[in-house]
Amino acid sequence: GENVEQHPSTLSVQEGDSAVIKCTYSDSASNYFPWYKQELGKRPQLIIDIRSNVGEKKDQRIAVTLNKTAKHFSLHITETQPEDSAVYFCAATLNYGQNFVFGPGTRLSVLP
Amino acid sequence: DTEVTQTPKHLVMGMTNKKSLKCEQHMGHRAMYWYKQKAKKPPELMFVYSYEKLSINESVPSRFSPECPNSSLLNLHLHALQPEDSALYLCASSPQGANSPLHFGNGTRLTVT
Repeated sequence: GENVEQHPSTLSVQEGDSAVIKCTYSDSASNYFPWYKQELGKRPQLIIDIRSNVGEKKDQRIAVTLNKTAKHFSLHITETQPEDSAVYFCAATLNYGQNFVFGPGTRLSVLP
Repeated sequence: DTEVTQTPKHLVMGMTNKKSLKCEQHMGHRAMYWYKQKAKKPPELMFVYSYEKLSINESVPSRFSPECPNSSLLNLHLHALQPEDSALYLCASSPQGANSPLHFGNGTRLTVT
């Protein structure tokens, strides 16, 4: 079955610096890759997603890149702010789109 | 504001109790999900309903019983739970299954005593 790995498990950056979180997946049939942000005590919220026919997508300070050949995708956050502090989960589709599998999460801390 | 509404927000129940979690969405989404999330872990899929029919049951114990009365509602009936079932239970919906974004509710924090 699909396995999604995510690194690092924790990440601390200074405010204004960039943060990069990387994920790898195993199922070559996966074709949709969302990223979720979960603040403490709150629900996961979609922040950006990418489909397999696209190599990169950007939304203001957030970007995602996908390398289908290598089966990895990355989240890039530029000009980080304290409110970016949260747990970030990557995900990949499973069972030809019936389900997602989530990565184990990255706890990002942005230090003022 | 969340477009997926879950009730109750918190629930404490004994191991012999029967309770139900409720979830509602009015976005016209055709897929609805129940996830269980333990602290510092990712959401773990329990059930998927697609077009009001159960399409995935991730080998969940029978003490958890899902129900989808209509396309907008999803229930999770709980009976004879164990303390290790204490967790955040998240409902989610998506327009067309897992090739489209999941919209999560705020969850029900369940404690089993």
